[in-house]
Amino acid sequence: DIQMTQSPSSLSASVGDRVTITCRASQSISTYLIWYHQKPGKAPKLLIYGASSLQGGVPSRFSGGGSGTDFTLTISSLQPEDFATYYCQQSYSNPITFGQGTRLEIK
Amino acid sequence: QVQLVQSGAEVKKPGASVKVSCKASGYTFTGYYLHWVRQAPGQGLEWMGWINPYSGDTNYAQKLQGRVTMTRDTSISTANMELNRLKSDDTAVYYCARSREGASLSLGYWGQGTLVTVSS
Repeated sequence: DIQMTQSPSSLSASVGDRVTITCRASQSISTYLIWYHQKPGKAPKLLIYGASSLQGGVPSRFSGGGSGTDFTLTISSLQPEDFATYYCQQSYSNPITFGQGTRLEIK
Repeated sequence: QVQLVQSGAEVKKPGASVKVSCKASGYTFTGYYLHWVRQAPGQGLEWMGWINPYSGDTNYAQKLQGRVTMTRDTSISTANMELNRLKSDDTAVYYCARSREGASLSLGYWGQGTLVTVSS
């Protein structure tokens, strides 16, 4: 199975900050990388697919990058609704695997 | 619009079975894989498996092999996930999720979740 490792596990930031979350795969997954965010009590929501393509309706302050084993999710200017937990997921091969999550909290 | 509506919360005793359903609407049910993902309290996301509603083919997480069964009823656009021999650490919110267009392992739409509590 492909292991996905996110860092940091948690992050405190303020509205307006620029933040970056990283995700590393245990083997090359090309650009088969998905980012989700999840708010408490809600289902995850797809933000970015193919490592860098924005899902429809997702604000342009979100961006993704990387290929192979190292990936990033950047939020250019944090908004109050962005405080949530973020997960990466590889869609390269079965079984699907997720990172452990990054909890983004208000400073 | 795509909607996945799951069945309600369940409380089960250890050793029992639970069946969670996921009713799809707003798209061609047989055109997209349906996945099941669970999340234990305060924990991350764990993929459980998928079903191809067109063929009925399934692929389960190795950890759950022998305990999980995924089925579908195309006449009512509903997928089901049954988990047997429940243990306390099966307590979780269970989600169904539809694959994104053209990407069977990418989860574009999610149900609202079903809480399954396993307790004696």
